[in-house]
Amino acid sequence: AQKITQTQPGMFVQEKEAVTLDCTYDTSDQSYGLFWYKQPSSGEMIFLIYQGSYDEQNATEGRYSLNFQKARKSANLVISASQLGDSAMYFCAMREGRSSYKLIFGSGTRLLVRP
Amino acid sequence: NAGVMQNPRHLVRRRGQEARLRCSPMKGHSHVYWYRQLPEEGLKFMVYLQKENIIDESGMPKERFSAEFPKEGPSILRIQQVVRGDSAAYFCASSPLATGDHTEAFFGQGTRLTVV
Repeated sequence: AQKITQTQPGMFVQEKEAVTLDCTYDTSDQSYGLFWYKQPSSGEMIFLIYQGSYDEQNATEGRYSLNFQKARKSANLVISASQLGDSAMYFCAMREGRSSYKLIFGSGTRLLVRP
Repeated sequence: NAGVMQNPRHLVRRRGQEARLRCSPMKGHSHVYWYRQLPEEGLKFMVYLQKENIIDESGMPKERFSAEFPKEGPSILRIQQVVRGDSAAYFCASSPLATGDHTEAFFGQGTRLTVV
């Protein structure tokens, strides 16, 4: 069963606008963690933001924020004020349980920022 | 994160040759994880190692693939008798903790293996 679902294979956004990348997950654990990574064309995996399942507030890191809706099992990434350098693949990932070390990745969303 | 060093960045092997991929974790990290990314897909867990121990290799193909993390030196992912289907990006991550309490997992820049 697919644990992480990213339903948008590709998206466009105009420079300086905000964009939301969708991520839904499936787990029976009460304790888990959600991650977002950016993969530019150069190929490296860049950690963006983390949300713990018990965190009461949505995580934010600069222009990145995570819209965490636990009941709906969604963890959407919001990028505000898009920049050309934001064009990349974005992956949502989940760690199940406090003692787990494995990350389960979604299939990714390719974001293209238009000037 | 630049702290996790992988080499080589690109590796080309002919079918039947061996591929050796190296990963040096961040300073102070003794836990290493290998992931594989097939074209147009997300990363998939392969193996988790601590120094001199394989903790979980449930994601490793049963044949031709092996991994080690010796007491001294980098972690090595070894693929024997490579086939075209092994062409992928191989990422290494490291952490200071054994459990999932870490809120970050730092990846290296990956090794892109091409089998011709």
